[in-house]
Amino acid sequence: EAQVTQNPRYLITVTGKKLTVTCSQNMNHEYMSWYRQDPGLGLRQIYYSMNVEVTDKGDVPEGYKVSRKEKRNFPLILESPSPNQTSLYFCASSFERGSSNEQFFGPGTRLTVL
Amino acid sequence: GQQVMQIPQYQHVQEGEDFTTYCNSSTTLSNIQWYKQRPGGHPVFLIQLVKSGEVKKQKRLTFQFGEAKKNSSLHITATQTTDVGTYFCAGPKKKTSYDKVIFGPGTSLSVIP
Repeated sequence: EAQVTQNPRYLITVTGKKLTVTCSQNMNHEYMSWYRQDPGLGLRQIYYSMNVEVTDKGDVPEGYKVSRKEKRNFPLILESPSPNQTSLYFCASSFERGSSNEQFFGPGTRLTVL
Repeated sequence: GQQVMQIPQYQHVQEGEDFTTYCNSSTTLSNIQWYKQRPGGHPVFLIQLVKSGEVKKQKRLTFQFGEAKKNSSLHITATQTTDVGTYFCAGPKKKTSYDKVIFGPGTSLSVIP
């Protein structure tokens, strides 16, 4: 089954404790992206990747890191989480560029930073 | 900077009534996409519009891209409870860039049976 998977689905952590949210897709997509969703703000792009080893900042990259060492995986790293990073996070992938191709979203990761 | 707005933010309708959400961009868009997110779910792609004035239909849903390619609308005829969710429009962050994506804040639709 074609899908985007994220882990964990729920996470409660404390300020400053490094964490990684994994994202994997099995559709051989070139483009992958991370979004955060906050009430009233819709989805805001954090980082995106055009292909392996090619990443770039989205609208809200501060406090986040990403890497794309393999085509299927695109982990999101929070080196020192803060309470303002409490949010619902979605990973997405598409065949090519995300703004001109259907993006497939993962189930989401709900993160709470205390 | 570039902004994408949607109105209304919330809409409550009686089942069987029509519903329309509007998406307005501060800049011209090369294309626009629409996604639907059910409560507790993830966004799901509905459609993409590319041409100025383009109109596309999917059963009871009608999508339109404005002549100036700065606005779009989604109209649902005779809403059903399965239409409940939040509808987002999305487009390229910049006119000539297909890499970054900007989403509108969404319109949340409630359908009263």
